[in-house]
Amino acid sequence: LAKTTQPISMDSYEGQEVNITCSHNNIATNDYITWYQQFPSQGPRFIIQGYKTKVTNEVASLFIPADRKSSTLSLPRVSLSDTAVYYCLVGDANTGRRALTFGSGTRLQVQP
Amino acid sequence: DAGVTQSPTHLIKTRGQQVTLRCSPISGHKSVSWYQQVLGQGPQFIFQYYEKEERGRGNFPDRFSARQFPNYSSELNVNALLLGDSALYLCASSLGQVRTEAFFGQGTRLTVV
Repeated sequence: LAKTTQPISMDSYEGQEVNITCSHNNIATNDYITWYQQFPSQGPRFIIQGYKTKVTNEVASLFIPADRKSSTLSLPRVSLSDTAVYYCLVGDANTGRRALTFGSGTRLQVQP
Repeated sequence: DAGVTQSPTHLIKTRGQQVTLRCSPISGHKSVSWYQQVLGQGPQFIFQYYEKEERGRGNFPDRFSARQFPNYSSELNVNALLLGDSALYLCASSLGQVRTEAFFGQGTRLTVV
């Protein structure tokens, strides 16, 4: 399984754009990159998933360079409610791998 | 539509006791997975069930067991509880066996004293 490395914590202010970078040097050809968000005492919530280049949805954007050894989750104009732990996961979405492998995540604190 | 529901939300047990946690997946979802999350860490995979069969098992002792019922709901059982079993237990459901988008419940907070 590809190991991921993320910053332990980040601080931001309301209205700013936040970029969280995840390193995954051993990513395999069939691996996808998925980000989850988790609030205290709640289960993780799927944010976005991508394979290469850029993916955007109503919540976030995911930037993946050509070598796919890293990825960046971009949260536009964060609010206090975006304070949470963000997990980067890498794994094969198509065959065999049945478990989500979470690391320790990035704790984002948004200040007023 | 109801999301993934877990019961109970909180539970306090004594060392050595046994506990059963319950999960109802989203309607139409046939895959249920269980995760343990210790405070300050990410969730750790325990089991996956699909179509009532165990399809994956994480690195947990045999004290942990689970099953899935014909209606796709699931139970996680933990025997001979240890203090270290205190954690948030999360259930996730998804449409298929392979890793499509997983939807998590709010979890069951188990405290072992």
